[in-house]
Amino acid sequence: DTAVSQTPKYLVTQMGNDKSIKCEQNLGHDTMYWYKQDSKKFLKIMFSYNNKELIINETVPNRFSPKSPDKAHLNLHINSLELGDSAVYFCATSLRGQETQYFGPGTRLLVL
Amino acid sequence: QKEVEQDPGPLSVPEGAIVSLNCTYSNSAFQYFMWYRQYSRKGPELLMYTYSSGNKEDGRFTAQVDKSSKYISLFIRDSQPSDSATYLCAMSEGGSYIPTFGRGTSLIVHP
Repeated sequence: DTAVSQTPKYLVTQMGNDKSIKCEQNLGHDTMYWYKQDSKKFLKIMFSYNNKELIINETVPNRFSPKSPDKAHLNLHINSLELGDSAVYFCATSLRGQETQYFGPGTRLLVL
Repeated sequence: QKEVEQDPGPLSVPEGAIVSLNCTYSNSAFQYFMWYRQYSRKGPELLMYTYSSGNKEDGRFTAQVDKSSKYISLFIRDSQPSDSATYLCAMSEGGSYIPTFGRGTSLIVHP
């Protein structure tokens, strides 16, 4: 039973399109995150979401919008995709007050 | 200067070698230190977690934290080809602070 799952695994799309990535966790954690990992493997935090409180990283363009329908899900919607959005996007979860995070398998996004 | 510095490698060693992976940091408020292992095309998985200074051992892995030097290390004894992966350090001030990750060191253990 997968603890943190993401769909889709791969996403190839054209510039200008709008797309969504979904994340689901069955760990009962109360905090969820979205990370972007670029081609140089650098893992950058995009958003953190805890009990309906959204913490936005100010360097993230407002084309990116996270949505959490419930505690087990955190989706990422991206408008007007750009070439520079090509990366691997990871969802992660943790318990508030604990430093360790559990990562999903990643979604590989390629914008053409 | 980035908050967390980590040499990307690759670091190539023969099977059985002792591997030393390191990170330096600039934020003296960091108290929690983690090492994650990331296999190719997979998500990072937690390997070691330490609080404050000192050593922690788990099987072939030892994590070491030197807060006075702002330097952390991960040692792998008797390295195996299955240890080939990217190792990311991460550190946090605690509380509601989100961990800051290093860029990862690519390790290759050849038979």
